[in-house]
Amino acid sequence: AQSVTQPDIHITVSEGASLELRCNYSYGATPYLFWYVQSPGQGLQLLLKYFSGDTLVQGIKGFEAEFKRSQSSFNLRKPSVHWSDAAEYFCAVGAEEAAGNKLTFGGGTRVLVKP
Amino acid sequence: DSGVTQTPKHLITATGQRVTLRCSPRSGDLSVYWYQQSLDQGLQFLIQYYNGEERAKGNILERFSAQQFPDLHSELNLSSLELGDSALYFCASSVGASGGIQETQYFGPGTRLLVL
Repeated sequence: AQSVTQPDIHITVSEGASLELRCNYSYGATPYLFWYVQSPGQGLQLLLKYFSGDTLVQGIKGFEAEFKRSQSSFNLRKPSVHWSDAAEYFCAVGAEEAAGNKLTFGGGTRVLVKP
Repeated sequence: DSGVTQTPKHLITATGQRVTLRCSPRSGDLSVYWYQQSLDQGLQFLIQYYNGEERAKGNILERFSAQQFPDLHSELNLSSLELGDSALYFCASSVGASGGIQETQYFGPGTRLLVL
């Protein structure tokens, strides 16, 4: 069965500083990997996804993520954080099963942005 | 705005009761997914429907059931409610042409359920 670990529950970063959120996954086959963001009181919004090909993936809002198979990681980065990036971020791994598909989410990382 | 709507936004009920949560997917999307987000369990996949038929099941309790109607809206029924069922319930939808995991899932704003 697949699983996702986000080691950092909270991260505080200053506005304008860089941000890196860690994600480690466990999955027997080639993983389908996703990063979602949840702003307060909102649903989840997809930032980016990785299925195959170039291991550096560009997403929306200036985010990127790098897939490293040898480390079973899919870390999310942003070079310069804006106050509006304060939110909770979820990494997920997707499993395509014979009868359907499902996402398994990590526990989330809450990002606080200091002015 | 993802285009996925969920009603009601908030629901307060008592233990032992039954509630129904409703989801309208994005126009044209055939797949609907239900997720539960709670403090102790995190965000968990419950169930997926594709064009009216159950497609995949996750950690859904036997007290919970779902269905997708011919107009593609979906309902999640929660019965014999317990305190631990208090959570945020999300619905998501995807195009569902292939039903594959590569399809982007668009999430609704959620229904917050409080069981007292």
